[in-house]
Parts: sequence; structure tokens; C-alpha cells
Amino acid sequence: NAGVTQTPKFRILKIGQSMTLQCAQDMNHNYMYWYRQDPGMGLKLIYYSVGAGITDKGEVPNGYNVSRSTTEDFPLRLELAAPSQTSVYFCASRVPGANVLTFGAGSRLTVL
Amino acid sequence: AQSVSQHNHHVILSEAASLELGCNYSYGGTVNLFWYVQYPGQHLQLLLKYFSGDPLVKGIKGFEAEFIKSKFSFNLRKPSVQWSDTAEYFCAVNAVTAGNKLTFGGGTRVLVKP
Repeated sequence: NAGVTQTPKFRILKIGQSMTLQCAQDMNHNYMYWYRQDPGMGLKLIYYSVGAGITDKGEVPNGYNVSRSTTEDFPLRLELAAPSQTSVYFCASRVPGANVLTFGAGSRLTVL
Repeated sequence: AQSVSQHNHHVILSEAASLELGCNYSYGGTVNLFWYVQYPGQHLQLLLKYFSGDPLVKGIKGFEAEFIKSKFSFNLRKPSVQWSDTAEYFCAVNAVTAGNKLTFGGGTRVLVKP
């Protein structure tokens, strides 16, 4: 029972590079979320999705893009990496009506 | 938009001491309230939640939290901490009638000295 799986766990990028953080869940959860965690700032919502083909912006979407072609996968794309995107990224999912999130283990991204 | 404030960024205490972490939110409607915990090197886990009913909720590992609606607060307590309670604690609020998006507080790092 894998839950929410994120890859990679760690990544270092140069300014201007692009990359995709992968998130997959095997619980058939409709709702999926991407958060970033910065020290003292808690978790900020980047994007979320309520089902395949549907995505919406959270609090801090600038510099990111998402897609949701399947229920299982919710990748987060950084097109032009900037130092301000250095953070720990968490993917999470839940079923509608159950407001408890299941989190992935996180992806630590450093942009130099 | 709702916001969540956690008053202490860092707390250091000794084993067997009592712990109370403050959490206040700003939203006047119906809310669901949560405390999540992140142990060193691990991902976030649910500690306890409040949806309705008894405002004093009990969670795992001896933690409890009290919802005081008039104060917009949901403080977390544990009467006697252990070294293994060293972690970062996050309060979170879901505004039920405002898009069902979970808003997190800034977190409180708790260090329990053995």
C-alpha cells in the first residue's frame, strides 16, 4: 500500500533550468494538492486538483504548472527555476468529504 | 481568505514537562480543524482533527486539542512530553464553505530535551 509517492526526493537545479516533480497515489483519491514548505512559513498551497482534467491555482502558483491527465498522477512543473523556488515540496491527496490529507514524503529542491 | 497563526515558532522543554501550542484562525464560518505533526526526516501525519461535536478532541500519542469557537482557537496540549515528541507541529484550518482548501499555520518546532 504505497499511498502518495513523490519523486525525486532531492534535486539541485541551476537557475533557468526546468524540471518536473512527480506525484502518484494509488488510493483512488480525487483531490490532489501541491504544497511548498518554507521555514517558519508553514505550508503554502501551490496548485490543487479535484479530479482528472481539472486543476486550479492555490496561494502561490506563480512559476509552476500542473496537469492531471489521470486520477493517479499530479506532476508539478517548474519551467524556469529561480532561487525563490528552493523549498521542500509536498504532494497530498484525499477523497471528497474526508478532509484528512495523506501526504507524500516530500521533495527537497535547491535552485542555485 | 482564512489565515492561521501559530504563536510560537520554537519551543524547548524537558521531558515530563507540559506542552501547549497556540493556534488561532481567522474565518467566521464553519471550519474543520487539524493538527499535523512532522517528525524529523518524515512527512506530515495527522495528529488529531475536529469536525463537530465535543470541542475537546483527543488524538494519538496522548495529545489533545480544544476548540474554542469564541476565541477562534484550537490549542494543542500534552500533559507530559517525551523525547520522541520532538517534531514540528502544524495547525491547519479548512473553511468548509470557502472552497474546502486547507490553510496551514507557520508551524512550531518543539525540541524535548532528554
